[in-house]
Amino acid sequence: AQTVTQSQPEMSVQEAETVTLSCTYDTSESDYYLFWYKQPPSRQMILVIRQEAYKQQNATENRFSVNFQKAAKSFSLKISDSQLGDAAMYFCAYRRGGASGSRLTFGEGTQLTVNP
Amino acid sequence: EAQVTQNPRYLITVTGKKLTVTCSQNMNHEYMSWYRQDPGLGLRQIYYSMNVEVTDKGDVPEGYKVSRKEKRNFPLILESPSPNQTSLYFCASSFKVGSYGYTFGSGTRLTVV
Repeated sequence: AQTVTQSQPEMSVQEAETVTLSCTYDTSESDYYLFWYKQPPSRQMILVIRQEAYKQQNATENRFSVNFQKAAKSFSLKISDSQLGDAAMYFCAYRRGGASGSRLTFGEGTQLTVNP
Repeated sequence: EAQVTQNPRYLITVTGKKLTVTCSQNMNHEYMSWYRQDPGLGLRQIYYSMNVEVTDKGDVPEGYKVSRKEKRNFPLILESPSPNQTSLYFCASSFKVGSYGYTFGSGTRLTVV
């Protein structure tokens, strides 16, 4: 079974600084997708960024980028120029590819605090 | 607007009193799923459905039931709620395959006393 691990229950960063959230996963599949979700205090789950395993290029969405290391099964999220609105719980998630790849498996989450 | 509508947002109930949390999506998604979120455990899947009349257990199905009579609706039923089912619940939907993430409902905070 696939597992996703976030080893940092809490992280903090100063406003305008950069922070990296860690995520590792375990799978024997070669076709899969990885995601980072943000959950602010409103508790809405917001998709931040996604990465296809077959792509070597790391995904980027504005201030958010990932460091995808397929061999190491690592998928970290970098937030640049942190803003107060980035404060949230962040979840890493895995989804297998193919016709049976519907399930999303989540990590435990990392609570990010942004200090002014 | 494409969305997953989940109700109610908050619910307090007593042990043993049957309840239903509704979930509806307007994106013609085949796949729908229920998760519960507990501190330190992330989101764990309760049940999922690949299409109408096709449902299956996730990781933590005990004490829950679901049905999928229509493509858009996927209610979660707690026939005899217990305090250990106090949690934050999310309904989510997506297309069956592909790189899509899920679209989530706004969550239901359930307290069983």
